[in-house]
Amino acid sequence: GAVVSQHPSWVICKSGTSVKIECRSLDFQATTMFWYRQFPKQSLMLMATSNEGSKATYEQGVEKDKFLINHASLTLSTLTVTSAHPEDSSFYICSARGLGGQGTGELFFGEGSRLTVL
Amino acid sequence: DQQVKQNSPSLSVQEGRISILNCDYTNSMFDYFLWYKKYPAEGPTFLISISSIKDKNEDGRFTVFLNKSAKHLSLHIVPSQPGDSAVYFCAASYPIQGAQKLVFGQGTRLTINP
Repeated sequence: GAVVSQHPSWVICKSGTSVKIECRSLDFQATTMFWYRQFPKQSLMLMATSNEGSKATYEQGVEKDKFLINHASLTLSTLTVTSAHPEDSSFYICSARGLGGQGTGELFFGEGSRLTVL
Repeated sequence: DQQVKQNSPSLSVQEGRISILNCDYTNSMFDYFLWYKKYPAEGPTFLISISSIKDKNEDGRFTVFLNKSAKHLSLHIVPSQPGDSAVYFCAASYPIQGAQKLVFGQGTRLTINP
């Protein structure tokens, strides 16, 4: 089946530093990737939609200058949390939809990346 | 505005019995519904989906029912197994500007008791 890999799975950083999280589709080409954030005991919140070769579309309330998203190829999207602060600590999850799709709207999720900002 | 709601934050079921997870939605534009399962510290795993033109889809122990008039869907797991213990998210999909977006419910924590 389709596999989406995230790296790193766990990262701890100091306040003020930037952290990059990678999302790769391993066995399919993903025209669209999504980035979600999950706070403890809460639902997944869509942050942005990333289309290959174009600018990401951010959801309302998400700071595009803080959460930089790049979708440079059909198999890789990156999320960079710039000048991270403790309130950015969360579980970040990416998902990808392949060319042609396997069912309308069906997405394949990465394992998630837990960010802890000290 | 919560477009997809899972009103039960938790559910406990005895092993071997049926687990029924419920989800309500408000947006008539949703054209596809999905269920995901999530273990702690992992990303969600796709379980089963249903198109808005159908009312039932079955895959092994998992069956999803859709009642469009009531804007309600449910996931049935029969028989329930200890490995089914996880958080279950329902999600609804709609097309927008060439993309397909998903809206997730809050999740229901299912615990299967031996």
